[in-house]
Amino acid sequence: DAKTTQPPSMDCAEGRAANLPCNHSTISGNEYVYWYRQIHSQGPQYIIHGLKNNETNEMASLIITEDRKSSTLILPHATLRDTAVYYCIVYNYNQGGKLIFGQGTELSVKP
Amino acid sequence: GAGVSQSPSNKVTEKGKDVELRCDPISGHTALYWYRQSLGQGLEFLIYFQGNSAPDKSGLPSDRFSAERTGGSVSTLTIQRTQQEDSAVYLCASSLRQDYNEQFFGPGTRLTVL
Repeated sequence: DAKTTQPPSMDCAEGRAANLPCNHSTISGNEYVYWYRQIHSQGPQYIIHGLKNNETNEMASLIITEDRKSSTLILPHATLRDTAVYYCIVYNYNQGGKLIFGQGTELSVKP
Repeated sequence: GAGVSQSPSNKVTEKGKDVELRCDPISGHTALYWYRQSLGQGLEFLIYFQGNSAPDKSGLPSDRFSAERTGGSVSTLTIQRTQQEDSAVYLCASSLRQDYNEQFFGPGTRLTVL
């Protein structure tokens, strides 16, 4: 079963920051937080991951709370092409590469 | 370079027939994964390969499902005696190695069992 809780849907205005929350209150010390997204009719796409420090790449920023029980994915300037389902995944390297997807958050970016 | 490719992109079959789905991973990626996504359902892990061996087959839903990987590259997922509940999008992903978990997904094969 997925170890994360996400809101089922969110809206965001084009050009504004999209902040997608994720709760993972049972995360263990050696588990990472991964984010993927799935644009309609495509395969999932890796976005970013982190352990305890905040991370930033060309796509997004990941903010992890100090107690690691929740995190927020930030898309700084959302575009219409960012409309997708966003999945927050808690991953343990001992689970052999298996990603356990929950229901994710359906983000709609509106003009 | 090329991404993960899957064939066919669409497959319609009759109940009881066998089907084979193919995945070509990114060159040099040693880890390969199969998932499926049913209508209205989330993504469900099926099996993963490290090289040619499959350390984790725990997600295969029944013994009608099998997969193999030869030469550490191409993988085939076979479903025997297909049932209507097998209808789904079957997704393949690859990563550089098992402990490097940025997985690159293919476009999927949409299987419809009539």
